[in-house]
Amino acid sequence: NAGVTQTPKFQVLKTGQSMTLQCAQDMNHNSMYWYRQDPGMGLRLIYYSASEGTTDKGEVPNGYNVSRLNKREFSLRLESAAPSQTSVYFCASSEYSPSNTGELFFGEGSRLTVL
Amino acid sequence: KNEVEQSPQNLTAQEGEFITINCSYSVGISALHWLQQHPGGGIVSLFMLSSGKKKHGRLIATINIQEKHSSLHITASHPRDSAVYICAVTNYGQNFVFGPGTRLSVLP
Repeated sequence: NAGVTQTPKFQVLKTGQSMTLQCAQDMNHNSMYWYRQDPGMGLRLIYYSASEGTTDKGEVPNGYNVSRLNKREFSLRLESAAPSQTSVYFCASSEYSPSNTGELFFGEGSRLTVL
Repeated sequence: KNEVEQSPQNLTAQEGEFITINCSYSVGISALHWLQQHPGGGIVSLFMLSSGKKKHGRLIATINIQEKHSSLHITASHPRDSAVYICAVTNYGQNFVFGPGTRLSVLP
């Protein structure tokens, strides 16, 4: 049981380059999230997907796009990377229902540096 | 004012000490989570609480819904407990709001 898997773990980009962070979960969760974590700040929500085919903006969506390809996968794309997007990115999933605890599961994180 | 606040921001303890980390929140919630993040590492869930108290090994988490406050206690602390502890609240899983974290260092 892999839980939440995200790739790549590390990436260095030049300003203006594009890339996609991939995330997949094998727990059949409906809700998936992309967060960024910056020094001295808490986790901040970039985008959220409540179910396959739906996505919503979070607190800091500018410069990012997402795709909920199917129930398992939720990708985050940087179309034109900027130094301000240097951060550690976490994908997470959860399922809140009468029969589910609503526990939040995280991927291992992706450390992105934009030069 | 942040919706979720934690205290202290940083905490250094000697091995064996009893540790308390506090979390207060200002929004309505269905559940509160305590998370642990080791340096350079991923984030793991320790507890999810909607009322009362939970215990896992040396860790105890309590929540007072009326006072909008939760505490995480670590008994007989150990250097391997050194990590950042994060409080997060949710309203039926629609979104999670995270506190800034408490950095704990336990010295041998």
